[in-house]
Amino acid sequence: DAGVTQSPTHLIKTRGQQVTLRCSPISGHKSVSWYQQVLGQGPQFIFQYYEKEERGRGNFPDRFSARQFPNYSSELNVNALLLGDSALYLCASSPHGGENTEAFFGQGTRLTVV
Amino acid sequence: GQNIDQPTEMTATEGAIVQINCTYQTSGFNGLFWYQQHAGEAPTFLSYNVLDGLEEKGRFSSFLSRSKGYSYLLLKELQMKDSASYLCAPRGNTPLVFGKGTRLSVIA
Repeated sequence: DAGVTQSPTHLIKTRGQQVTLRCSPISGHKSVSWYQQVLGQGPQFIFQYYEKEERGRGNFPDRFSARQFPNYSSELNVNALLLGDSALYLCASSPHGGENTEAFFGQGTRLTVV
Repeated sequence: GQNIDQPTEMTATEGAIVQINCTYQTSGFNGLFWYQQHAGEAPTFLSYNVLDGLEEKGRFSSFLSRSKGYSYLLLKELQMKDSASYLCAPRGNTPLVFGKGTRLSVIA
């Protein structure tokens, strides 16, 4: 069975550019969450989507946006990239949006902003 | 808001036992997760506690005290492959929020 898949695996962008990261959840999972992980830190919550609606938003600027599609896949968009946006972006899927369900993580997209 | 505190780094010897502590403050409480993350890899689920007490799963056990806002992860019979970061993640009224993680180094 396929786990959570993210694309691309690595990406290099220039300051000011825009980037779109993609995530496909485990089959049957309806909730997708996005996290940013800077080297040496734990993952920081960015967004959660469940049934195509935003269920939660972390403390990130409006340059970060996301959406979930009818097939439950998701995209994370970041506009006007800054050097500080360089990080590992993790997508996690859960069967539903409930509080007691574990999250299954993809391998992440390593974004480098130069 | 949420506040999560765990040691930054720990070192232990192969075959030994190590306890990684986590204290937390959350708005609401819906359980606490522990994840393991090897360098360059995604976090993987280890345990989930929602009630007070000890949950044992093979070499790994996790303890929770909701009144104290405290949890620990206990690793027994340490192996070199246990060298990784261990992330404490209490769930409050918001989606899963992670601590900074404890980097465990297992030495021979």
